[in-house]
Formats: sequence, structure tokens, C-alpha cells
Amino acid sequence: ETGVTQTPRHLVMGMTNKKSLKCEQHLGHNAMYWYKQSAKKPLELMFVYSLEERVENNSVPSRFSPECPNSSHLFLHLHTLQPEDSALYLCASSQAMTALSYEQYFGPGTRLTVT
Amino acid sequence: AQSVTQLDSHVSVSEGTPVLLRCNYSSSYSPSLFWYVQHPNKGLQLLLKYTSAATLVKGINGFEAEFKKSETSFHLTKPSAHMSDAAEYFCVVSEGSSNTGKLIFGQGTTLQVKP
Repeated sequence: ETGVTQTPRHLVMGMTNKKSLKCEQHLGHNAMYWYKQSAKKPLELMFVYSLEERVENNSVPSRFSPECPNSSHLFLHLHTLQPEDSALYLCASSQAMTALSYEQYFGPGTRLTVT
Repeated sequence: AQSVTQLDSHVSVSEGTPVLLRCNYSSSYSPSLFWYVQHPNKGLQLLLKYTSAATLVKGINGFEAEFKKSETSFHLTKPSAHMSDAAEYFCVVSEGSSNTGKLIFGQGTTLQVKP
């Protein structure tokens, strides 16, 4: 596997379910990100982890809970979601702290549908 | 604070004709700028980046962009469009003061390529 991978690629869940999205990066990066991409809206940054420590949380509802056990893996735990949470969830990684340009590399995304 | 404006939400060209996707930015710092492309149901792919070196930046798939500080612009061009270029394009500025390299995304431009 190369680059950034995400599983599952598609997920349908009811509002009372609990599920998790997984992201793995094979690029040796030390920062990872979760974004939400909804139709007709710009990408929304949800969470940032740098060196496995959460450094940013953009006022995301508590029904979304991130976890970063090491620099290669990132999870997004979901519970009691709402239909408006249906979106494409993108994971990205980058070099932080010492990078000059901070370009991020994205996974293919998980298409989430909440019914 | 940084911001980015993509001047066209939708651009339509014929195959073999030039492509111009316009982007203006606002930044308090010397910015890093990027263009990303997103094909349907895929993640974002980095096309090219500007990081205060050469002002004319060459990217993948024949795309290039020119950084013009006086005009605060970073327009994306390609001499000859191909059908496979049909996608969503995002102009992005990096928040260079942040150690996490937070990215600010434009609203996106949908490129349609007609045969």
C-alpha cells in the first residue's frame, strides 16, 4: 500500500449506530487531518493531529471523536449521527513542524450516508 | 488572515483548447499556494505547489500556475485540455504561521471538457 488509505470507502449507518472510519498513511508523515466535504460547500477541517497530539478541533460536535494511536493511523469514531452528517470524509497527512510548504496528501475518502 | 477566492465556479472548454482557472489569495505572510484536483468520487490530488522559489510552477499532467504577487493571483493554466481533465479544482493557501500547516481551501472550480 502506498500513500494514504481509508476504510471503508462507503458506509451507510443509522442514527443510533456506532461506527469508525480508519485512515492509514504510508508516507512517513507526522501530521494527520480529518476533513468533511459536503455538496456545495468548501472543505471543512475537522481535526488536526501533529506528532500524535491533537492540535486543532474546529468546533466539531462531540458525536465525532478522533483517535490517533500513532503517527501512521487515524480514526474517526462516529455515534448518534444526524442526516446532515452525510458527506465525504477525507483523511490527509503531511510533514509538520519542519516542512516548508506543508502540502497535504489525501486519501480517497469515505462516503458516509446517515439514514 | 489568509483567504482564497476562486473566481469561477464552473468553466467549460472544448477538448484541445486552453484552460484557465482563476484564483486570488489574501495572505499576511509569504504564502505557500497549491492547486489540487478531485475527480468524481476520489480524494484530492496535488497538481502543483508554489513555495517562494520560481514564480512559474509546473505541475503534473501539463498544468502550470504563475504566482503574481502584485496581483495576488495564482491562476492555473494548461495549453490544451484533455477529456480526462474534467474534474473539480481547488486553489489552496497554506497558513504559514501555523506549525500544523493548516490549509485554506477555495470553493472549487468545476472544469467541464467538451468533445
